[in-house]
Amino acid sequence: AQSVTQPDIHITVSEGASLELRCNYSYGATPYLFWYVQSPGQGLQLLLKYFSGDTLVQGIKGFEAEFKRSQSSFNLRKPSVHWSDAAEYFCAVGAAIGTDKLIFGTGTRLQVFP
Amino acid sequence: DAGVIQSPRHEVTEMGQEVTLRCKPISGHNSLFWYRQTMMRGLELLIYFNNNVPIDDSGMPEDRFSAKMPNASFSTLKIQPSEPRDSAVYFCASSPPGRNTIYFGEGSWLTVV
Repeated sequence: AQSVTQPDIHITVSEGASLELRCNYSYGATPYLFWYVQSPGQGLQLLLKYFSGDTLVQGIKGFEAEFKRSQSSFNLRKPSVHWSDAAEYFCAVGAAIGTDKLIFGTGTRLQVFP
Repeated sequence: DAGVIQSPRHEVTEMGQEVTLRCKPISGHNSLFWYRQTMMRGLELLIYFNNNVPIDDSGMPEDRFSAKMPNASFSTLKIQPSEPRDSAVYFCASSPPGRNTIYFGEGSWLTVV
């Protein structure tokens, strides 16, 4: 069965520091992978997605993610974090061919200190 | 373009009352999802419609929950009777034809007292 693991429940970084949020997936074929961000009291907003092609994908707000098939990972990165990036981040994998279902990870809460 | 529109945004109701949550997907999208988010369980897919037909309702907790999609522009999630453990944020989301992106609404924050 498809699954997504986000090993870090909570991460704290200083403003201006680099950031990497980890995501590991389990999927039998080429996965469709997504990162979403949720600010307090808000819905989920898509940051970026990987379907095929270049394994380094660029997203909104200066985020990028790299698909590594050998490691079954899709880690999210940002070179310099801003205080407004404090939020919860969800990794998701497309569940199966022929369906639009997404399986979400449990999320990583990012706290940013000035 | 308008995003996914959910109503009500917030609802407080007493145990045993019926609750109806409403969703208008993005125009042109043919898949619609209802998710529930809680601290304990995270994001759970409750039900998924494609072209107004329920495809997967394995996440619906029990018979107290029901969902309908009478047309391409409207869906409801009903809880009857409601219980305190149903307190959560309920998200509606939609996606366009093909393996594409899911777009979420702002959520309906339900509190059952």
